[in-house]
Amino acid sequence: EVQLVQSGAEVKKPGATVKISCKVSGYTFIDFYIHWVQQAPGKGLEWMGFVDPEDGETMSAEKFQGRVKVTADTSVDTVYLELNSVRSEDTAVYYCTRAFCDDSTCQYDFWGQGTLVTVSS
Amino acid sequence: IQMTQSPSSLSASVGDRVTITCRASRSITTYLNWYQEKPGKAPKLLIYAASSVQSGVPSRFSGSGSGTDFTLTISSLQAEDFGTYYCQQSYGLPNSFGQGTKLEIK
Repeated sequence: EVQLVQSGAEVKKPGATVKISCKVSGYTFIDFYIHWVQQAPGKGLEWMGFVDPEDGETMSAEKFQGRVKVTADTSVDTVYLELNSVRSEDTAVYYCTRAFCDDSTCQYDFWGQGTLVTVSS
Repeated sequence: IQMTQSPSSLSASVGDRVTITCRASRSITTYLNWYQEKPGKAPKLLIYAASSVQSGVPSRFSGSGSGTDFTLTISSLQAEDFGTYYCQQSYGLPNSFGQGTKLEIK
Protein backbone atom coordinates (compact mmCIF):
# COMPACT_ATOMS: atom_id res chain seq x y z
CA GLU A 1 0.00 0.00 0.00
CA VAL A 2 1.40 3.34 -1.06
CA GLN A 3 1.63 5.78 1.85
CA LEU A 4 3.04 9.25 2.32
CA VAL A 5 3.29 10.16 6.00
CA GLN A 6 4.16 13.70 6.95
CA SER A 7 5.62 15.13 10.12
CA GLY A 8 3.49 16.91 12.68
CA ALA A 9 2.24 20.44 13.04
CA GLU A 10 4.72 23.25 13.57
CA VAL A 11 4.50 26.67 15.17
CA LYS A 12 7.21 29.13 14.16
CA LYS A 13 8.04 32.74 14.81
CA PRO A 14 8.48 35.11 11.88
CA GLY A 15 11.94 34.82 10.37
CA ALA A 16 12.46 31.23 11.47
CA THR A 17 12.99 28.14 9.32
CA VAL A 18 10.57 25.23 9.19
CA LYS A 19 11.41 21.77 7.87
CA ILE A 20 8.68 19.25 7.09
CA SER A 21 9.26 15.60 6.26
CA CYS A 22 7.34 13.20 4.04
CA LYS A 23 8.18 9.52 4.43
CA VAL A 24 7.00 7.27 1.64
CA SER A 25 6.38 3.54 1.61
CA GLY A 26 4.78 0.92 -0.57
CA TYR A 27 6.72 1.66 -3.76
CA THR A 28 10.26 2.23 -5.00
CA PHE A 29 11.23 5.66 -3.73
CA ILE A 30 13.33 6.74 -6.69
CA ASP A 31 10.69 5.88 -9.29
CA PHE A 32 8.44 8.91 -8.75
CA TYR A 33 8.91 12.64 -8.26
CA ILE A 34 7.49 14.14 -5.06
CA HIS A 35 5.82 17.54 -5.24
CA TRP A 36 4.76 19.95 -2.51
CA VAL A 37 1.50 21.89 -2.47
CA GLN A 38 0.53 24.75 -0.16
CA GLN A 39 -2.97 25.53 1.03
CA ALA A 40 -3.43 28.69 3.06
CA PRO A 41 -6.48 28.88 5.36
CA GLY A 42 -9.67 29.09 3.32
CA LYS A 43 -7.68 29.25 0.07
CA GLY A 44 -6.98 26.98 -2.87
CA LEU A 45 -4.07 24.74 -3.76
CA GLU A 46 -0.76 26.22 -4.84
CA TRP A 47 2.15 24.28 -6.32
CA MET A 48 5.44 24.90 -4.55
CA GLY A 49 8.02 22.64 -6.10
CA PHE A 50 9.30 19.12 -6.58
CA VAL A 51 12.26 16.81 -6.17
CA ASP A 52 13.37 13.85 -8.24
CA PRO A 53 14.53 11.40 -5.55
CA GLU A 54 16.67 9.55 -8.06
CA ASP A 55 19.11 12.38 -8.78
CA GLY A 56 18.03 15.18 -6.46
CA GLU A 57 16.89 17.49 -9.27
CA THR A 58 14.57 20.15 -7.89
CA MET A 59 12.46 23.05 -9.04
CA SER A 60 10.44 25.52 -7.03
CA ALA A 61 7.77 28.08 -7.82
CA GLU A 62 8.86 31.63 -8.46
CA LYS A 63 6.76 32.81 -5.52
CA PHE A 64 9.02 30.85 -3.15
CA GLN A 65 12.31 31.31 -4.98
CA GLY A 66 15.23 31.57 -2.61
CA ARG A 67 13.20 30.52 0.45
CA VAL A 68 12.30 26.93 -0.41
CA LYS A 69 14.55 23.90 -0.41
CA VAL A 70 13.25 20.46 -1.38
CA THR A 71 15.50 17.49 -0.75
CA ALA A 72 15.32 13.70 -0.77
CA ASP A 73 17.13 11.16 1.39
CA THR A 74 17.17 7.78 -0.31
CA SER A 75 18.52 6.07 2.82
CA VAL A 76 15.22 6.66 4.62
CA ASP A 77 12.81 7.11 1.68
CA THR A 78 11.96 10.60 2.88
CA VAL A 79 11.50 13.94 1.19
CA TYR A 80 11.92 17.24 3.02
CA LEU A 81 10.51 20.71 2.48
CA GLU A 82 12.44 23.52 4.11
CA LEU A 83 11.02 27.03 4.11
CA ASN A 84 13.11 29.81 5.55
CA SER A 85 12.41 33.38 6.64
CA VAL A 86 8.81 32.42 7.31
CA ARG A 87 6.18 35.10 7.59
CA SER A 88 2.51 35.19 8.55
CA GLU A 89 1.38 34.50 5.00
CA ASP A 90 3.23 31.16 5.11
CA THR A 91 0.67 29.92 7.62
CA ALA A 92 -0.84 27.02 5.72
CA VAL A 93 -1.23 23.30 5.36
CA TYR A 94 1.57 21.79 3.29
CA TYR A 95 1.01 18.56 1.37
CA CYS A 96 3.50 16.23 -0.25
CA THR A 97 2.17 14.28 -3.19
CA ARG A 98 3.46 11.64 -5.58
CA ALA A 99 3.50 12.51 -9.26
CA PHE A 100 2.62 9.60 -11.53
CA CYS A 101 3.75 10.52 -15.03
CA ASP A 102 4.03 8.75 -18.35
CA ASP A 103 4.17 9.83 -21.99
CA SER A 104 0.68 11.29 -22.03
CA THR A 105 -0.28 12.10 -18.49
CA CYS A 106 0.99 13.33 -15.17
CA GLN A 107 -1.13 13.44 -12.03
CA TYR A 108 -0.89 13.44 -8.24
CA ASP A 109 -2.17 10.01 -7.29
CA PHE A 110 -1.18 9.75 -3.62
CA TRP A 111 -1.01 12.49 -1.01
CA GLY A 112 0.34 12.94 2.47
CA GLN A 113 -2.06 13.84 5.24
CA GLY A 114 -0.86 17.44 5.36
CA THR A 115 1.21 19.41 7.85
CA LEU A 116 -0.10 22.61 9.39
CA VAL A 117 2.50 25.31 9.79
CA THR A 118 1.49 28.31 11.87
CA VAL A 119 3.64 31.43 11.83
CA SER A 120 2.95 33.68 14.77
CA SER A 121 4.91 35.99 17.03
CA ILE B 1 -0.69 28.67 -17.45
CA GLN B 2 -3.75 30.12 -15.70
CA MET B 3 -6.63 27.81 -14.85
CA THR B 4 -10.11 29.26 -14.36
CA GLN B 5 -12.99 27.25 -12.95
CA SER B 6 -16.67 28.00 -12.97
CA PRO B 7 -18.79 28.28 -11.03
CA SER B 8 -16.92 29.15 -7.83
CA SER B 9 -19.69 27.52 -5.84
CA LEU B 10 -22.90 25.66 -6.41
CA SER B 11 -25.64 23.97 -4.50
CA ALA B 12 -27.43 20.94 -5.89
CA SER B 13 -29.75 18.18 -4.77
CA VAL B 14 -29.11 14.47 -4.52
CA GLY B 15 -29.74 12.93 -7.91
CA ASP B 16 -28.92 16.10 -9.86
CA ARG B 17 -26.49 16.16 -12.75
CA VAL B 18 -23.66 18.53 -11.89
CA THR B 19 -21.16 20.09 -14.27
CA ILE B 20 -18.03 22.06 -13.40
CA THR B 21 -15.93 23.68 -16.09
CA CYS B 22 -12.25 24.54 -16.24
CA ARG B 23 -10.55 26.72 -18.82
CA ALA B 24 -6.82 26.95 -19.44
CA SER B 25 -5.16 30.15 -20.63
CA ARG B 26 -3.52 28.19 -23.46
CA SER B 27 -3.73 24.70 -24.87
CA ILE B 28 -2.77 21.94 -22.47
CA THR B 29 -3.92 19.10 -24.77
CA THR B 30 -5.30 16.58 -22.26
CA TYR B 31 -2.91 17.23 -19.37
CA LEU B 32 -5.80 18.03 -17.08
CA ASN B 33 -6.66 16.42 -13.76
CA TRP B 34 -9.55 16.80 -11.33
CA TYR B 35 -9.38 16.46 -7.55
CA GLN B 36 -11.96 16.41 -4.78
CA GLU B 37 -11.12 17.90 -1.41
CA LYS B 38 -13.12 17.53 1.78
CA PRO B 39 -12.59 19.62 4.93
CA GLY B 40 -9.53 18.52 6.87
CA LYS B 41 -8.55 15.92 4.28
CA ALA B 42 -5.97 15.77 1.53
CA PRO B 43 -7.16 16.16 -2.06
CA LYS B 44 -8.20 12.99 -3.83
CA LEU B 45 -7.55 12.30 -7.52
CA LEU B 46 -10.76 11.72 -9.45
CA ILE B 47 -9.96 12.14 -13.13
CA TYR B 48 -6.61 12.23 -14.93
CA ALA B 49 -5.67 12.93 -18.52
CA ALA B 50 -8.95 14.83 -18.89
CA SER B 51 -11.18 11.79 -19.10
CA SER B 52 -9.64 8.77 -17.37
CA VAL B 53 -11.31 7.80 -14.10
CA GLN B 54 -8.91 6.99 -11.28
CA SER B 55 -9.20 3.49 -9.87
CA GLY B 56 -11.77 3.28 -7.09
CA VAL B 57 -13.64 6.43 -8.11
CA PRO B 58 -17.38 5.91 -8.65
CA SER B 59 -18.52 5.75 -12.26
CA ARG B 60 -20.84 8.74 -11.79
CA PHE B 61 -17.74 10.93 -12.14
CA SER B 62 -16.58 11.67 -15.67
CA GLY B 63 -14.37 14.17 -17.43
CA SER B 64 -14.14 15.53 -20.93
CA GLY B 65 -12.39 18.13 -23.01
CA SER B 66 -9.09 18.92 -24.64
CA GLY B 67 -7.08 21.97 -25.56
CA THR B 68 -8.35 24.74 -23.31
CA ASP B 69 -11.85 23.71 -22.21
CA PHE B 70 -12.67 20.90 -19.83
CA THR B 71 -15.63 19.59 -17.90
CA LEU B 72 -16.14 17.47 -14.80
CA THR B 73 -19.57 15.86 -14.61
CA ILE B 74 -21.26 14.07 -11.75
CA SER B 75 -24.10 12.20 -13.39
CA SER B 76 -26.24 11.66 -10.29
CA LEU B 77 -25.12 13.63 -7.25
CA GLN B 78 -24.76 11.73 -3.99
CA ALA B 79 -24.66 13.18 -0.47
CA GLU B 80 -21.01 12.22 -0.06
CA ASP B 81 -19.98 14.30 -3.09
CA PHE B 82 -19.88 17.54 -1.11
CA GLY B 83 -16.53 19.28 -1.05
CA THR B 84 -14.33 21.47 -3.18
CA TYR B 85 -13.27 20.40 -6.66
CA TYR B 86 -10.06 21.54 -8.31
CA CYS B 87 -8.77 21.20 -11.81
CA GLN B 88 -5.02 21.08 -12.33
CA GLN B 89 -2.85 21.27 -15.43
CA SER B 90 0.31 19.20 -15.71
CA TYR B 91 1.26 20.30 -19.23
CA GLY B 92 3.92 22.71 -18.08
CA LEU B 93 5.71 23.85 -14.97
CA PRO B 94 4.74 25.40 -12.72
CA ASN B 95 1.82 23.05 -12.39
CA SER B 96 -1.23 25.15 -11.64
CA PHE B 97 -4.63 24.61 -10.09
CA GLY B 98 -7.96 26.26 -10.67
CA GLN B 99 -9.33 28.34 -7.84
CA GLY B 100 -11.77 25.60 -6.82
CA THR B 101 -15.51 24.98 -6.99
CA LYS B 102 -17.29 24.46 -3.69
CA LEU B 103 -20.13 21.99 -4.04
CA GLU B 104 -22.85 21.92 -1.42
CA ILE B 105 -25.71 19.48 -1.14
CA LYS B 106 -29.14 21.06 -0.77
